[in-house]
Amino acid sequence: GDSVTQMEGPVTLSEEAFLTINCTYTATGYPSLFWYVQYPGEGLQLLLKATKADDKGSNKGFEATYRKETTSFHLEKGSVQVSDSAVYFCARRTGANNLFFGTGTRLTVIP
Amino acid sequence: DTGVSQNPRHKITKRGQNVTFRCDPISEHNRLYWYRQTLGQGPEFLTYFQNEAQLEKSRLLSDRFSAERPKGSFSTLEIQRTEQGDSAMYLCASSSRDRRNTEAFFGQGTRLTVV
Repeated sequence: GDSVTQMEGPVTLSEEAFLTINCTYTATGYPSLFWYVQYPGEGLQLLLKATKADDKGSNKGFEATYRKETTSFHLEKGSVQVSDSAVYFCARRTGANNLFFGTGTRLTVIP
Repeated sequence: DTGVSQNPRHKITKRGQNVTFRCDPISEHNRLYWYRQTLGQGPEFLTYFQNEAQLEKSRLLSDRFSAERPKGSFSTLEIQRTEQGDSAMYLCASSSRDRRNTEAFFGQGTRLTVV
């Protein structure tokens, strides 16, 4: 069935390192794709989204490109900061308009 | 508007008791969702309202769970005869029906612990 598979964590990086968190999906058609972030003690927040193939979502230095050939939506950032430490969730919209989430990847950035 | 509000933030209850959670969505949003999140997992969809109509329920929503949105504004989620397996974070989200912007905004959740 439809699913979202996300790179397992935890991920620990030094400040200014390059970040990639992999996400692949299975679905019929081309669902909208999302990255949500959950900072410590806070609720889920939308980080970025892409609604169709080849779209690139970007926000706060993070980027992800909707690639239908590889059914992927990998999250990248060129230079992470301590303040990026959080749990990141990849998600896809279902036909019923709710969200199907991956299991989350915890990122810790150390100074 | 301060966003999606959930109450209480934390609830500890004894097994077998009933609990009720409340969600106040963003005021102009007509869509409201409930999700459940267990430790180390992503949120799992429970149910969805458009205005006061409950349009979809997940198989996760057993007959001990009931959700309402009587006036199309706030919503309640009740769990009857709680079990230890019900311990989780219960998240509420809301979104607009505007096709240009269907982003779902999440509340901070209600953490339920069943002892």
